[in-house]
Amino acid sequence: KAGVTQTPRYLIKTRGQQVTLSCSPISGHRSVSWYQQTPGQGLQFLFEYFSETQRNKGNFPGRFSGRQFSNSRSEMNVSTLELGDSALYLCASSLLSGPNEQFFGPGTRLTVL
Amino acid sequence: GENVEQHPSTLSVQEGDSAVIKCTYSDSASNYFPWYKQELGKGPQLIIDIRSNVGEKKDQRIAVTLNKTAKHFSLHITETQPEDSAVYFCAPPAENRDDKIIFGKGTRLHILP
Repeated sequence: KAGVTQTPRYLIKTRGQQVTLSCSPISGHRSVSWYQQTPGQGLQFLFEYFSETQRNKGNFPGRFSGRQFSNSRSEMNVSTLELGDSALYLCASSLLSGPNEQFFGPGTRLTVL
Repeated sequence: GENVEQHPSTLSVQEGDSAVIKCTYSDSASNYFPWYKQELGKGPQLIIDIRSNVGEKKDQRIAVTLNKTAKHFSLHITETQPEDSAVYFCAPPAENRDDKIIFGKGTRLHILP
């Protein structure tokens, strides 16, 4: 079974731009969660989608948004990029929503200049 | 992460010795307690988890113990090997019972030759 894939793997943007990251979950998984990982803040929860509905949201500004499609693939968007948005963005999928094993992708490394 | 404390932040042990990492949580309703391992350049991967109806679980050199009264659970690695060098995260469910998954700040484990 193929693992979680994320595209692109690396991205360089400038302040004020917007970016869209993509995540394809493991086949059959309906829950997709997004995390931001930085050296200072660690792994921070952004949001979780289950069956195309946002189920949970972390403490991030409205510039961070996401969606999930009917095939469970998910995208997250960050608008009006700031330098502090530079991070590794990780996507994780799981069979069910809530507390159970998360399968992580390799991440997208976003650098904002 | 909020309401989750993980200690120590860095741990160096001699190869062959044991390592113990502790995670303290606040939500008494939590019932799922996982540990993840993140190697360089990869996303986190579940290495062991425990449900609240058991106090200990072991898988070869790795074990997790749970103390629900004190609200903490620990990761134990015995006979450490070089490949155990990584960052380890606990991820108990967050407070408010909304099932958000909140990760600890992580423990960087160094196995010394």
